[in-house]
Amino acid sequence: QSVLTQPPAASGTPGQTVTISCSGSSSNIGSNTLNWHQQLPGAAPKVLIYNNNQRPSGVPDRFSGSKSGSSASLAISGLQSEDEGDYYCASWDDSLTGWVFGGGTRLTVV
Amino acid sequence: EVQLVESGGGLVQPGGSLRLSCAASGFTFKFYGMSWVRQAPGKGLEWVAVISGGVGTEYYADSVKGRLTISRDNSQNTVFLEMNSLRVEDTATYYCAKHVGNSVVSTPDLWGQGTLVTVSS
Repeated sequence: QSVLTQPPAASGTPGQTVTISCSGSSSNIGSNTLNWHQQLPGAAPKVLIYNNNQRPSGVPDRFSGSKSGSSASLAISGLQSEDEGDYYCASWDDSLTGWVFGGGTRLTVV
Repeated sequence: EVQLVESGGGLVQPGGSLRLSCAASGFTFKFYGMSWVRQAPGKGLEWVAVISGGVGTEYYADSVKGRLTISRDNSQNTVFLEMNSLRVEDTATYYCAKHVGNSVVSTPDLWGQGTLVTVSS
């Protein structure tokens, strides 16, 4: 049971916009920044979004993050087949004094 | 090029020990927090430990507290994970990650490629 809650799966067709949610509490998302990590099949994770809505250099602007209260979401527009993989949200938790991850969302492009 | 390279993984028996290393390059290592995160086969990501830049304040996940120790050598640009009293459930790929700032609360912004640890008799 992960501290941050994500849907286990999401899907979309090429060109569509898909949104993945991440729900937490006042001790994590509600008081700290949220980041999103992408893990493509067989690869190491990669940071997609940090500090709620900032993209590292090289990450396309098709990926965007937002946060409101104790929840956050990742939007992927112009969906492409190479976007298939697992997506994780993460945040620092003040009560646990540690980092917490969501359980991950497997994105399928049909 | 900013890069993290993990090493030291392998097969170890339950109760055994292992030391993982993560060599950093392309940035001023001593100024940044560093984490270890693991992923059991077919499972999600689990944070293990974090150490701040500078004085090196440490925090651990409850599941590893007292058995795994994170440390850093700023002269070698390397972060370590000393693993003792290993259990079968510690079997995972271990990734190191760099944070955007000195503080343990600052967000990770770079991952290494990972090193596999298998605990089995």
